[in-house]
Amino acid sequence: SAVISQKPSRDICQRGTSLTIQCQVDSQVTMMFWYRQQPGQSLTLIATANQGSEATYESGFVIDKFPISRPNLTFSTLTVSNMSPEDSSIYLCSVYMSSGNTIYFGEGSWLTVV
Amino acid sequence: EDQVTQSPEALRLQEGESSSLNCSYTVSGLRGLFWYRQDPGKGPEFLFTLYSAGEEKEKERLKATLTKKESFLHITAPKPEDSATYLCAVQARADSWGKLQFGAGTQVVVTP
Repeated sequence: SAVISQKPSRDICQRGTSLTIQCQVDSQVTMMFWYRQQPGQSLTLIATANQGSEATYESGFVIDKFPISRPNLTFSTLTVSNMSPEDSSIYLCSVYMSSGNTIYFGEGSWLTVV
Repeated sequence: EDQVTQSPEALRLQEGESSSLNCSYTVSGLRGLFWYRQDPGKGPEFLFTLYSAGEEKEKERLKATLTKKESFLHITAPKPEDSATYLCAVQARADSWGKLQFGAGTQVVVTP
């Protein structure tokens, strides 16, 4: 298994500002991902965080809005830029473990934009 | 387009009253079907991965089964601590290993 730590766990943000979420894993993993869970809805994949290269974004998500860094095999950040109330969501970091084909999630970062 | 539908949306059970949750899926080549449990304000907790029709997996009071079109999560003699939202997700062969498409979830409440 993997232990995934996210910071911050919760934050209240002002409209128009940006916030960076950190994700730390307790072991080296090849694949890291960022998901979004909007209020009352299920999870949607934002992007794959690639180590040493640009992230791969899903349809509907762009780098200018959600820049992602992956400096090494245990750490990634997601920035939510120029926030609006529609960005109020839980943002979740996940990792893929090839042994067992398992995908684990962090506890999430709950952002409220006011 | 891949699609995952869970039913019912919500389920209220008495302690000890067994029931089943349904996950119907359409996917162009299933690599795996995942079940997660999510408590309020928490990230999803991994329960099972199923790969082929006929496969079954168990964990405590939970048992997951898979057919070619759907999966069931059976909760046997549930306890209040089984109250949570249960999420189903598919992993398609055409996608990267870490990409999951989730259903909307079934919110389960177990009362004493």
